[in-house]
Amino acid sequence: GENVEQHPSTLSVQEGDSAVIKCTYSDSASNYFPWYKQELGKGPQLIIDIRSNVGEKKDQRIAVTLNKTAKHFSLHITETQPEDSAVYFCAATPSSSASKIIFGSGTRLSIRP
Amino acid sequence: NAGVMQNPRHLVRRRGQEARLRCSPMKGHSHVYWYRQLPEEGLKFMVYLQKENIIDESGMPKERFSAEFPKEGPSILRIQQVVRGDSAAYFCASSYGEGAYEQYFGPGTRLTVT
Repeated sequence: GENVEQHPSTLSVQEGDSAVIKCTYSDSASNYFPWYKQELGKGPQLIIDIRSNVGEKKDQRIAVTLNKTAKHFSLHITETQPEDSAVYFCAATPSSSASKIIFGSGTRLSIRP
Repeated sequence: NAGVMQNPRHLVRRRGQEARLRCSPMKGHSHVYWYRQLPEEGLKFMVYLQKENIIDESGMPKERFSAEFPKEGPSILRIQQVVRGDSAAYFCASSYGEGAYEQYFGPGTRLTVT
């Protein structure tokens, strides 16, 4: 089945700097890749997603890139702010089930003032 | 426009009791998914339901766990004879149509088994 690996598990950056989180997936037929932000005690919040027919997508300070050949995708946050501190999860949908999301293990992002 | 609603937010059960977790999807959404999150881990898919139908239960433990989404009312995740290993956060998500596209999550129910 699909397997999603995420790195790093923790990331600390200076406020104003950029943060990059990387993920790889195993199922080459996966076609939808969402990113979720989870704050302490809350449910995951969908922040951006990308489909397999697109290589890059941007929404203000957040961008996601997808390399289907290498089977990896990345989240880029520019001009980081204290409110960006949270756990971020990448995810993918396997070809065997269009309705199941397979999550990575998460990255705890801390923004240093 | 209310989001996905889950209740209770916190639930404490003694070993051997039953736990019932409820989920109301976003308005206009007819597809519901349940996920489990153990401490310091990612979310694991459990089950996908549409009204009165279980579509995919490949992530559900074989025993003690069941889920339903009746024609009227919320979706229910039921855990019978809970054990300490069932302690986790259980999240419900909903989507507008078929496919995992754009699943929106509720705040979760944190189950503690004592």
